[in-house]
Amino acid sequence: QIQLVQSGPELKKPGESVKISCKASGYTFTDYAMHWVKQAPGKGLKWMGWINTYTGKPTYADDFKGRFVFSLEASASTANLQISNLKNEDTATYFCAREGIPTLDYWGQGVMVTVSS
Amino acid sequence: DIQMTQSPASLSASLEEIVTITCQASQDIGNWLAWYQQKPGKSPQLLIYGATSLADGVPSRFSGSRSGTQYSLKISRLQVEDIGIYYCLQAYSAPYTFGAGTKLELK
Repeated sequence: QIQLVQSGPELKKPGESVKISCKASGYTFTDYAMHWVKQAPGKGLKWMGWINTYTGKPTYADDFKGRFVFSLEASASTANLQISNLKNEDTATYFCAREGIPTLDYWGQGVMVTVSS
Repeated sequence: DIQMTQSPASLSASLEEIVTITCQASQDIGNWLAWYQQKPGKSPQLLIYGATSLADGVPSRFSGSRSGTQYSLKISRLQVEDIGIYYCLQAYSAPYTFGAGTKLELK
């Protein structure tokens, strides 16, 4: 069965970096794009962007340009999200989601990232 | 960017009641509209894709419809397990945008 399994919760200080992973199984990883979605505590869903899992090309929403990097370990069917120079407002749950046709069909369980001094 | 205006923000309904949630797109998005249900501490679950198609395993009491740029999610007979927050998502063009969400509670 199709699964996206994300890494565990993270507690970081402002200015630090974090890298979270999303391991896919049950399908051919490079056949489907991977998207990233942010959900701040008690708030709605915000689309961060996506990565072409065949070419490795990332596309970022405007609010996520600069400190956010999408990457792949295609041989391990894994997509990664790295956030540098963490700020308090980066405290959120981050979801990966596969783009099936024609929408985001399978989601990871989410990773809670807490930024606190 | 395409704006998705979702209403109502919250909704209190009784068991077996009919519930309708709507999303208004700021421009034509065709049928590139999906609905999700999210429960506390969980990831969103796909209910409807392509505006009207039921995702695998989703009960038939859920249905989606479209009238121009207005999209609706209908729950025909509300059940306890339907409580949660519902979001629409337009996947017509980047940046993809979600509605603000509808919190559905039991009356």
